[in-house]
Amino acid sequence: AQTVTQSQPEMSVQEAETVTLSCTYDTSENNYYLFWYKQPPSRQMILVIRQEAYKQQNATENRFSVNFQKAAKSFSLKISDSQLGDTAMYFCAFMPMEYGNKLVFGAGTILRVKS
Amino acid sequence: DSGVTQTPKHLITATGQRVTLRCSPRSGDLSVYWYQQSLDQGLQFLIQYYNGEERAKGNILERFSAQQFPDLHSELNLSSLELGDSALYFCASSGGPPRENTEAFFGQGTRLTVV
Repeated sequence: AQTVTQSQPEMSVQEAETVTLSCTYDTSENNYYLFWYKQPPSRQMILVIRQEAYKQQNATENRFSVNFQKAAKSFSLKISDSQLGDTAMYFCAFMPMEYGNKLVFGAGTILRVKS
Repeated sequence: DSGVTQTPKHLITATGQRVTLRCSPRSGDLSVYWYQQSLDQGLQFLIQYYNGEERAKGNILERFSAQQFPDLHSELNLSSLELGDSALYFCASSGGPPRENTEAFFGQGTRLTVV
């Protein structure tokens, strides 16, 4: 069974600084996707970034980037130039590439950006 | 707009009652997932359907049931409701074949309050 672990229940960062959220996962699959979702106070689930396991290059989306270490089964999210609007719960998620794949979430990390 | 539609957005009902939550997935998506999120809690996976068939089951109570119809919309039925069932219920959808539209897109959720 696949599991996703986020070891940081809460984190805080000063506006304009950089913060890294940790995520590890466990799977026997070789082909899969990894995601970071953001859930602001509005409770809407928003996809932040996606990484395909078969790609060695780390995904980036503007101020958001990941450090994907397949052998270590680690998938951290780096947020640069943090903004107040980044305050949210962040969920790491895993999805096998097989048909009818199941999406597995970590417990989440609350990120607070301070002015 | 994620393309996933959940109705109703809010629902208030009494203990012991039964309610039905509805989800219309993104056009072309074959998988539908249901999640429960209590206040300040993570996402609890309930159940997944893929192209009309149950694919994976999580911590879904026996009082809860779901189905996916031929047009791919899904319904989550909650019966004999208890105060503890008050939560935000999310539906998400994702594509079918590997390497195609594999992100899970979330609806805005149905906020259920049991009084």
